[in-house]
Amino acid sequence: GENVEQHPSTLSVQEGDSAVIKCTYSDSASNYFPWYKQELGKGPQLIIDIRSNVGEKKDQRIAVTLNKTAKHFSLHITETQPEDSAVYFCAASTGANSKLTFGKGITLSVRP
Amino acid sequence: EAEVAQSPRYKITEKSQAVAFWCDPISGHATLYWYRQILGQGPELLVQFQDESVVDDSQLPKDRFSAERLKGVDSTLKIQPAELGDSAMYLCASSPGPEYEQFFGPGTRLTVL
Repeated sequence: GENVEQHPSTLSVQEGDSAVIKCTYSDSASNYFPWYKQELGKGPQLIIDIRSNVGEKKDQRIAVTLNKTAKHFSLHITETQPEDSAVYFCAASTGANSKLTFGKGITLSVRP
Repeated sequence: EAEVAQSPRYKITEKSQAVAFWCDPISGHATLYWYRQILGQGPELLVQFQDESVVDDSQLPKDRFSAERLKGVDSTLKIQPAELGDSAMYLCASSPGPEYEQFFGPGTRLTVL
């Protein structure tokens, strides 16, 4: 089955700097890659996603890039703010029945 | 903005007791998922429904866990008997269909003593 790995497990940046979180996946059939943000005591919130027919997608300060050949995708957050501090999960799905396989998450801390 | 509702938000129970969690998906969402999230880990799928039918329950421990979505709307996840290792966050998610984005509820935090 699919295996999704995230690295690093923690990331600390200064407010205003950029943050990049990387994920790798194992199943070449995966074609849908969402990113979720989870704040303490809350459920995961979808922040951006990308499908395998595009290489990059942007939404304001957030972007996701996909490299199908290398089987990795990355979340880019520019001009980070303290409210960006949370746990970020990447996931992958083959589309068939849409089962999502999640990574273990990365804790992002933005220092004021 | 429509949201997935879950209750209770917190549940403390003793091992060997029965517990039940309820989920009300976003109106019109045909696909419903139950995930378990152990502290420090990502969510893991327990069961997926398409309308009232189970699509995937391969990771559901069927000797103690059961899930139903009788009318294809809200859903209940039950554990009987609960074990210490069941302590986790139980998340419900819904989507308009199996190839659309999933929206998560706030979860039920279960503690088994």
